[in-house]
Amino acid sequence: DAKTTQPNSMESNEEEPVHLPCNHSTISGTDYIHWYRQLPSQGPEYVIHGLTSNVNNRMASLAIAEDRKSSTLILHRATLRDAAVYYCIPSYDKVIFGPGTSLSVIP
Amino acid sequence: EAGVAQSPRYKIIEKRQSVAFWCNPISGHATLYWYQQILGQGPKLLIQFQNNGVVDDSQLPKDRFSAERLKGVDSTLKIQPAKLEDSAVYLCASSAGATSYNEQFFGPGTRLTVL
Repeated sequence: DAKTTQPNSMESNEEEPVHLPCNHSTISGTDYIHWYRQLPSQGPEYVIHGLTSNVNNRMASLAIAEDRKSSTLILHRATLRDAAVYYCIPSYDKVIFGPGTSLSVIP
Repeated sequence: EAGVAQSPRYKIIEKRQSVAFWCNPISGHATLYWYQQILGQGPKLLIQFQNNGVVDDSQLPKDRFSAERLKGVDSTLKIQPAKLEDSAVYLCASSAGATSYNEQFFGPGTRLTVL
């Protein structure tokens, strides 16, 4: 399983973009890069995933480095509801959660 | 579409007692997971079912934890006897398939406090 490095915590002002980084230098060629988030007192929820190309959906964008050793989750306009722990998970089969990045959004 | 249902939402027991948690996955989802989340940590996989068979239970403390998935639908997770370190949130998740490509849908969790 690929090891990941994420900042313990980040802050963002409301309505500003947020870039959440993740390093996964030991990722294998078949691993997808998944992002989940966990809002307070809730179970995790899927955000986005990708393999090689950048991906967009209604929640976020995922930018994947050309060598796939790092990725960035982009929230285009942070809202208070985006305050959560964000998990970066490179994986083909198992989804293994690390400590993630705790994002605070300041009104 | 109904989400993953779990009950109870909260449970307080004394050490050495037994406890059981119930999970009803999203209809049609073949894969079911139980996770343990200790405060301040990410969820840890305890057991993964594919239909009613166990795919991975390598991190399940089998001397005290057991789980079953009858008829490949609902699942129960039991702890007997409970220890103080079992205090955690127990999360159930389901997905349409067994690989990480398949999005996992999580229930709200059961918060267990062992006194």
